[in-house]
Amino acid sequence: GENVEQHPSTLSVQEGDSAVIKCTYSDSASNYFPWYKQELGKGPQLIIDIRSNVGEKKDQRIAVTLNKTAKHFSLHITETQPEDSAVYFCAATPLYSSASKIIFGSGTRLSIRP
Amino acid sequence: GAVVSQHPSRVICKSGTSVKIECRSLDFQATTMFWYRQFPKQSLMLMATSNEGSKATYEQGVEKDKFLINHASLTLSTLTVTSAHPEDSSFYICSARRQTGSYEQYFGPGTRLTVT
Repeated sequence: GENVEQHPSTLSVQEGDSAVIKCTYSDSASNYFPWYKQELGKGPQLIIDIRSNVGEKKDQRIAVTLNKTAKHFSLHITETQPEDSAVYFCAATPLYSSASKIIFGSGTRLSIRP
Repeated sequence: GAVVSQHPSRVICKSGTSVKIECRSLDFQATTMFWYRQFPKQSLMLMATSNEGSKATYEQGVEKDKFLINHASLTLSTLTVTSAHPEDSSFYICSARRQTGSYEQYFGPGTRLTVT
């Protein structure tokens, strides 16, 4: 089955700097890669996603890149702000059917230093 | 946007009792709902996939007789933790997928279960 690895587990950056979180997946059939932000005591929120037919997607300060050949995808947050502090999860969906499961990475705890 | 609610947000129960958690999709129909469990500082672990009108599919290692799932309508799924024990204390999160079959899952706010 699908396996998603995520690095780093913790990340601390200065406010205003960029943060990068990287993930790898194992199943070449995966074709949908969402990223979630989870604040303490809350459920995950989808912040951006990318499908396998594109290599990059950007939404304001957030961007995601996908390298299908290497089975890598990354989250980039620019001009970080204190409210970006949270746990971020990458994920991959290996199947095409509507019943497919999302496989989560282990999470990255991002801290923004003022 | 797509909104998923959970009730209750927090629940404390005594060991040996059962507790029910509700998951509702408020503004869309969801043929598929998912139940996750999350322990502190860990990732989300899928427990089961719930399809409207049919039996849930449980992940390996999840006891179906202990975690009863019912998905009676396109907007409601329930998870009942039966004969709860302290080790069942966790953060339970549901998600819902639109009936149109898109890949996006929308997550609920979670339910903190504490078993004393």
